[in-house]
Amino acid sequence: TQLLEQSPQFLSIQEGENLTVYCNSSSVFSSLQWYRQEPGEGPVLLVTVVTGGEVKKLKRLTFQFGDARKDSSLHITAAQTGDTGLYLCAGATAAGNKLTFGGGTRVLVKP
Amino acid sequence: NAGVTQTPKFQVLKTGQSMTLQCAQDMNHEYMSWYRQDPGMGLRLIHYSVGAGITDQGEVPNGYNVSRSTTEDFPLRLLSAAPSQTSVYFCASSYDRKNTEAFFGQGTRLTVV
Repeated sequence: TQLLEQSPQFLSIQEGENLTVYCNSSSVFSSLQWYRQEPGEGPVLLVTVVTGGEVKKLKRLTFQFGDARKDSSLHITAAQTGDTGLYLCAGATAAGNKLTFGGGTRVLVKP
Repeated sequence: NAGVTQTPKFQVLKTGQSMTLQCAQDMNHEYMSWYRQDPGMGLRLIHYSVGAGITDQGEVPNGYNVSRSTTEDFPLRLLSAAPSQTSVYFCASSYDRKNTEAFFGQGTRLTVV
């Protein structure tokens, strides 16, 4: 069974601060995805990274895929209250037939 | 754009009852899957399908059945509900094995008493 561990489980920061969420595994993934989920809704895809060492930026969000394709990080610069939510990473196998999700990081950005 | 539609949104069952959670997608995606989400445990895969007529078990399949008679629909059946099945259930679809980005429904919150 492939496992993805996210840390921290919960993060509370003030608006304007930076934060980083980590997603780690002992397994290699062909791609890794980050989702954000708001209360009462399903997860929504933020980004997919596929190449070891890849860095993708989405406005104030920066995503990095580890060189060995076993880990990833999500960095938010100058967090806003609208960034509050549950962030989930998910790894896809080479077979591409299913995703393995991490346990999630709950982010609270206080005004 | 409907995307992935799940019904119902909320359901309360008594222990031992059976029910079907409905899921439909209108994006002509090959892949569909069912997850359950419990506090602090992320999303766990119950069953998935790589195309019409093909289903397979995920991480936590016990107590659930699925079928995929059409590309659009992927219902999840609870055969005899148990309190341990109290959870939020999400259906998701993906284009194919190369493009695995998942589109999720809004979820069904199920309580078994």
